[in-house]
This record gives sequence, structure tokens and C-alpha cells, in this order.
Amino acid sequence: SAVISQKPSRDICQRGTSLTIQCQVDSQVTMMFWYRQQPGQSLTLIATANQGSEATYESGFVIDKFPISRPNLTFSTLTVSNMSPEDSSIYLCSVEIDRVLAFFGQGTRLTVV
Amino acid sequence: SQQGEEDPQALSIQEGENATMNCSYKTSINNLQWYRQNSGRGLVHLILIRSNEREKHSGRLRVTLDTSKKSSSLLITASRAADTASYFCATGGGADGLTFGKGTHLIIQP
Repeated sequence: SAVISQKPSRDICQRGTSLTIQCQVDSQVTMMFWYRQQPGQSLTLIATANQGSEATYESGFVIDKFPISRPNLTFSTLTVSNMSPEDSSIYLCSVEIDRVLAFFGQGTRLTVV
Repeated sequence: SQQGEEDPQALSIQEGENATMNCSYKTSINNLQWYRQNSGRGLVHLILIRSNEREKHSGRLRVTLDTSKKSSSLLITASRAADTASYFCATGGGADGLTFGKGTHLIIQP
């Protein structure tokens, strides 16, 4: 199993500003995943973050809007840049064990006003 | 992309009753998983069923998989108030991450 500490748990931000979300894992993992969950919706993968390489973004997500850092095998950050109300969502980080079983952080509930 | 489609989208039952949720998917899979999410928090893994399995049990959970119909069901027996949550099926894994269904919001009435 894996224990993931994600922070902040929630934030209310002004439009045009940026928020950086941190994710700390209690063990070394190769891949970390960032998901977005819009209000009342399911999870959508934003990007996959590997240590020592550029993140791989899914269709519809770009690095300028969602820059990701992965400085080591236990930590990653996701920044939501130049926020607008449409960015109001829950953002979740995740790791997979044995390439299948996913463990999630508790999520960051972001409200942009 | 959203591969899984759950139904119903919302389900409200009395405590003690059984709850059944269904999931359909579009592409071939190696396995299918079910996750629970309480009040918009992180997801918790419930159960995984592999493509060569038809049924799997874990406590009060029973999952079936029909690869010919590309569908799965999750049955929660003897429901409790604490089972109130959203339930998602998910396929994939590995470098491509997971693809989640739209989810079923389950409410257990005391």
C-alpha cells in the first residue's frame, strides 16, 4: 500500500492567480498521476509525472496551464496557473502499485472566485 | 477519455437493503476495478477483478464481470449508512493511468 499526503486540502483563490498543490508519498514510486474532478463529475487524468523527465499530458491539458514538478521519487507538485472559475474542481494525486492498484491523496478542493 | 458508464447515476435505498451498480466499458481490458469516494475526498480501492474472472467477493461486496458484454456490476449487500458514497469503476492502469466511469452516487437512508 501507499500513504499519500496532499495539501492544501482546500483553497479559495482569486481568478488570475496560481495555486501549487503538493503530494508526498511514503514510499518511492516511479509514476505519479494527477487527476481533475469537476463538480459532480468523474475523474479525468491530467498528466503522468515521472521523476527526471517531463510530465506526459493528456489531451486537453497543457504544461503552461498545469506545470508539474517531480524532483524525486516521493514528491510531486501540480500548479494550476492563471486560474479562472472553470478551474474550480477537486484535484487528486495518485500512485499505482504493481501498475494497477491506485492509491489517492485526499484531494484538493479548489474554488476560484 | 471516459470509458466507463455507470448506472444508475444515483441510487437511494434503505439501510439493510442490497445496492447494485453497473458499469459498461468500450475497449478490451486486463482488469476492472471499483473505487469508493466519500464526500469528494480521495478514492479508496475496493476490489479488482481480472479479465479471466467472472465473479469476485470481498466481505459484503460482490463484483461480476462479463467481458462479452463489456460490463461489470458491484453488489453491496446489507447496506449501512457508512456505505453512502460515490462508486466508480475504472479500467486501465500503468503508464496511461486509470480511466474512470461516471460514477454512481449511493445514498443509504437510515
